[in-house]
Amino acid sequence: KAGVTQTPRYLIKTRGQQVTLSCSPISGHRSVSWYQQTPGQGLQFLFEYFSETQRNKGNFPGRFSGRQFSNSRSEMNVSTLELGDSALYLCASSLGQFTDTQYFGPGTRLTVL
Amino acid sequence: AQKVTQAQTEISVVEKEDVTLDCVYETRDTTYYLFWYKQPPSGELVFLIRRNSFDEQNEISGRYSWNFQKSTSSFNFTITASQVVDSAVYFCALIHNAGNMLTFGGGTRLMVKP
Repeated sequence: KAGVTQTPRYLIKTRGQQVTLSCSPISGHRSVSWYQQTPGQGLQFLFEYFSETQRNKGNFPGRFSGRQFSNSRSEMNVSTLELGDSALYLCASSLGQFTDTQYFGPGTRLTVL
Repeated sequence: AQKVTQAQTEISVVEKEDVTLDCVYETRDTTYYLFWYKQPPSGELVFLIRRNSFDEQNEISGRYSWNFQKSTSSFNFTITASQVVDSAVYFCALIHNAGNMLTFGGGTRLMVKP
């Protein structure tokens, strides 16, 4: 079975721009979660989508948004980029219950200049 | 609120040494799961183990073993006869039934020198 895939792997943007990251879950998985990893804050939960609905949300500003499509693929969008948004963005997929293991993709490394 | 603490930020050992990575957690829930993930330099988080709060049996998988003790809220990870390929950052994480979101510890960077 193919693992979680994320595109693009690397992105360089400038302040004020917006960016869209994509995540394709493992086949059969209906839940997709997004995490931000920075040296200062570590790994932090952004949001989770299940059956095209946002089910959980972390403590991030409204500039961070996402969506999930009927095939479970998910995108996250960051508008009006700030320098502090530079991070590794990791996507994880699972079957959907909290008891299920989340499997992670390789991440998208975003650099904001 | 949930919290996971990995007090060891960095550990350096010589190949073939045994090493234990500590993980202490806080939660008010009685039903929760604990995880260990490995993050090599490539960045992807690799799942290692999942343990539920009702199963305190220790687990061994090859050179890896895990010790779960509810009495001390700890879920420690031991690598026996470490190898250079074990060099990575290891994360302990917690999830509970109030939401499908992982709470991670700060991670422990393990460096295994030849």
